[in-house]
Amino acid sequence: KNEVEQSPQNLTAQEGEFITINCSYSVGISALHWLQQHPGGGIVSLFMLSSGKKKHGRLIATINIQEKHSSLHITASHPRDSAVYICAVRGDSNYQLIWGAGTKLIIKP
Amino acid sequence: DVKVTQSSRYLVKRTGEKVFLECVQDMDHENMFWYRQDPGLGLRLIYFSYDVKMKEKGDIPEGYSVSREKKERFSLILESASTNQTSMYLCASSSPGSTDTQYFGPGTRLTVL
Repeated sequence: KNEVEQSPQNLTAQEGEFITINCSYSVGISALHWLQQHPGGGIVSLFMLSSGKKKHGRLIATINIQEKHSSLHITASHPRDSAVYICAVRGDSNYQLIWGAGTKLIIKP
Repeated sequence: DVKVTQSSRYLVKRTGEKVFLECVQDMDHENMFWYRQDPGLGLRLIYFSYDVKMKEKGDIPEGYSVSREKKERFSLILESASTNQTSMYLCASSSPGSTDTQYFGPGTRLTVL
């Protein structure tokens, strides 16, 4: 079993829909990252969380430390949100990141 | 803005060739990383470096080596390329601290024929 699991693996939705991507992890962590990768390869860091909730524009990230779970939400989704969204955690005992496999999101106009 | 650049976006090499992938960052970051990304497997760490001339093996170092002679440059070397090294290679850098946000380069898609 992977230490970081994302769901769903693939998600297709219509423009305007509310999107939720989930990340569950099985190790103790000091921080959790959400990143976005557009077609062509470039990866951009969206959020770094250690507790609670963060919001940036239409993106909201939450984390529940007790349940070892984080969600990334996109409100009023748009085709330009189409990308792979990746969850990564930094373990308690080292500073390497443990990566989820990613969620491929397609937003149709 | 942090800038991480990689020497090539696309590269095609033949089996057995020696391949150099170069990564340069302009933010004076101490940490640099090389990952490969394959469908369904996510990012896997090959090697990382905490400082000049320092290197540590990641999860999948076999078949690869690295060089960090200058702080801003981290090179990944495939001594004898094989077809199973066909992949997307991503370089990242970060500065030690509470955020440990990694900044990524655009990636190099390597095909080994």
